Amino acid sequence: QAQLVQSGAEVRKPGASVKVSCWASGYTFTYYTIHWLRQAPGQRLEWMGWVDTDSGNTKYSQKFQPRVTITRDTSANTAYLELSSLTSEDTAVYFCARGPFFYYYMDVWGTGTTVTVSS
Amino acid sequence: EIVLTQSPGTLSLSPGEGATLLCRASQSVASTYFAWYQQKPGQAPRLLIYAASSRATGIPDRFSGSGSGTDFTLTIHRLEPEDFAVYYCQQYGSSPLTFGGGTKVEIK
Repeated sequence: QAQLVQSGAEVRKPGASVKVSCWASGYTFTYYTIHWLRQAPGQRLEWMGWVDTDSGNTKYSQKFQPRVTITRDTSANTAYLELSSLTSEDTAVYFCARGPFFYYYMDVWGTGTTVTVSS
Repeated sequence: EIVLTQSPGTLSLSPGEGATLLCRASQSVASTYFAWYQQKPGQAPRLLIYAASSRATGIPDRFSGSGSGTDFTLTIHRLEPEDFAVYYCQQYGSSPLTFGGGTKVEIK
């Protein structure tokens, strides 16, 4: 069945960047959008952006621009999230999630990646 | 940005009871663009309902969604032990996509 497996936990210092990967299996990668979201401890889910895995087009939440970049590698069935200029407020669990084109709910979720920003 | 407010914050119920969870949007959302998720501690969210009332694949029929405009409801009939979790609503009608603050359904 469809699965999204994310890269492992990361620790970064303030001001650094982080890149998280999301490997898809069990379905045709380019038939669905990949979203990136995050959840800080005890907080609600926060949508960061999506990538059209077929065209490579992206859409970002203004809150994270220009720090966020979402890309995909169709040959590797993998999507990536890169977030720069990290602060302690970026400490969270980051999720990738699959969803249909044009109707942006998320029907398959990744395993989650904890990113800790600490000096 | 559309703000979603969920109520109550916590619902204390016993297995077998019914639960009604509310989500109010700060602006009207077309029902086509509304979803509900369940999240358990340490896990990713799971899609329950999309398009306000359509159950996702594999979701039992004790979960139902309804609503339109600014008021949406998730109803759980006859709570099972595995249903005690946090539930989030989401709108995907306008950018940025936004989520509610969650309702925790706990065992009484």
